[in-house]
Amino acid sequence: AQKVTQAQTEISVVEKEDVTLDCVYETRDTTYYLFWYKQPPSGELVFLIRRNSFDEQNEISGRYSWNFQKSTSSFNFTITASQVVDSAVYFCALSEPSRYSTLTFGKGTMLLVSP
Amino acid sequence: GAGVSQSPSNKVTEKGKDVELRCDPISGHTALYWYRQSLGQGLEFLIYFQGNSAPDKSGLPSDRFSAERTGGSVSTLTIQRTQQEDSAVYLCASSLRTGETDTQYFGPGTRLTVL
Repeated sequence: AQKVTQAQTEISVVEKEDVTLDCVYETRDTTYYLFWYKQPPSGELVFLIRRNSFDEQNEISGRYSWNFQKSTSSFNFTITASQVVDSAVYFCALSEPSRYSTLTFGKGTMLLVSP
Repeated sequence: GAGVSQSPSNKVTEKGKDVELRCDPISGHTALYWYRQSLGQGLEFLIYFQGNSAPDKSGLPSDRFSAERTGGSVSTLTIQRTQQEDSAVYLCASSLRTGETDTQYFGPGTRLTVL
């Protein structure tokens, strides 16, 4: 069965520190998609990135970077030089075309960045 | 362009009453999803619509929950005889199509409180 595990419930860092959010997934499908969403205190889920199972290239977008490793079924998210505005709950999610592409979410990691 | 909109943003109701939650997807998006976010269960899938096809209702927690999508656009989620355990944030998302797992974009949610 499909499953997403975010083992870190809460992380606290001081501004400018680097922080990595872990995500481990389980699926029987060979084709699948992985996502990261950000949920700031306002509550709206904001899309950050989508990665398909055939593309293991790491991606960097500004201070954000993602490391996808099929061998360990992980899709980790790193924020470099964190800022207070990065404080939010971050969700990793799995989507399988065989299940109408509904998202299976992890429990989320709450990131608190203090000045 | 306009994102996914949901109304009302907050709804307080008494146990046993019926409620209707509305979702307006992004224009041109054919796929529409409802999710529920609660403290105990995290983010969970409820129902999915694709164009004019029959919806996938596999995530609905009980027969008190139903949803419809009129004209392939606006969707209404109805909860009959509300219970306290229905208290949660109900999130709607839309995507262009599901054939290749397009990204789902979320609305701001409706916070439902059942007294």
